[in-house]
Amino acid sequence: DIQMTQSPSSLSASVGDRVTITCRASQSISSYLNWYQHKPGRAPKLLIYRASRLQSGVPSRFSGSGSGTDFTLTIRSLQPEDFATYSCQQSYSTLPTFGPGTKVDIK
Amino acid sequence: QLQLQESGPGLVKPSETLSLTCIVSGGSISGSGYYWGWIRQPPGKGLEWSGSVSYSGSTYYNPSLTSRVTISLDASKNQFSLKLTSVTAADTAVYYCARHEYPPGRGYDCYDYWGQGTLVTVSS
Repeated sequence: DIQMTQSPSSLSASVGDRVTITCRASQSISSYLNWYQHKPGRAPKLLIYRASRLQSGVPSRFSGSGSGTDFTLTIRSLQPEDFATYSCQQSYSTLPTFGPGTKVDIK
Repeated sequence: QLQLQESGPGLVKPSETLSLTCIVSGGSISGSGYYWGWIRQPPGKGLEWSGSVSYSGSTYYNPSLTSRVTISLDASKNQFSLKLTSVTAADTAVYYCARHEYPPGRGYDCYDYWGQGTLVTVSS
């Protein structure tokens, strides 16, 4: 199985801050990496697919980068609705796996 | 707008079978060319893919669950289902249904529509 790790596991930030979350794969996954946002009781939301492509309807303050084993999700200017948990997911292998999540809360 | 909604019992006894249904509205599940999956999140842990079914009924399962899981499509009701047998406390999780475009392993796949999830607790 391809193991996905994320750092940090949680962070506190203020509205307007720039936030960066890192995801690492246990082996190279090319650019087959997706990012999701999820909130309790809500349907998870696809933010970024294939490492850097912004899903339709997602604000441009979200961006993704990376390839191989190391990836980054950046939120350029954190908004109140962005306080949530963010998870990465590899689609390289026949067993899709997710990272453990990074919780972003209000400082 | 495509919508997915999970339904099923919130409490299942150990050793029994967990059964969930995902009702899809706003699009056809059988004529669409898409794949339909189940993903779960145990308390305090990350998301875990359980398996998927294609628009034509082909299935793909997480190897860790293969002996216990069945996913099926009911085109007449525009829904798909998950059955997990011989459950234990380790199967307690929020279960999500989701849509994806390619079979597992076709690199450029992602889950673009999700249900809001349903908590299933395994306890006597």
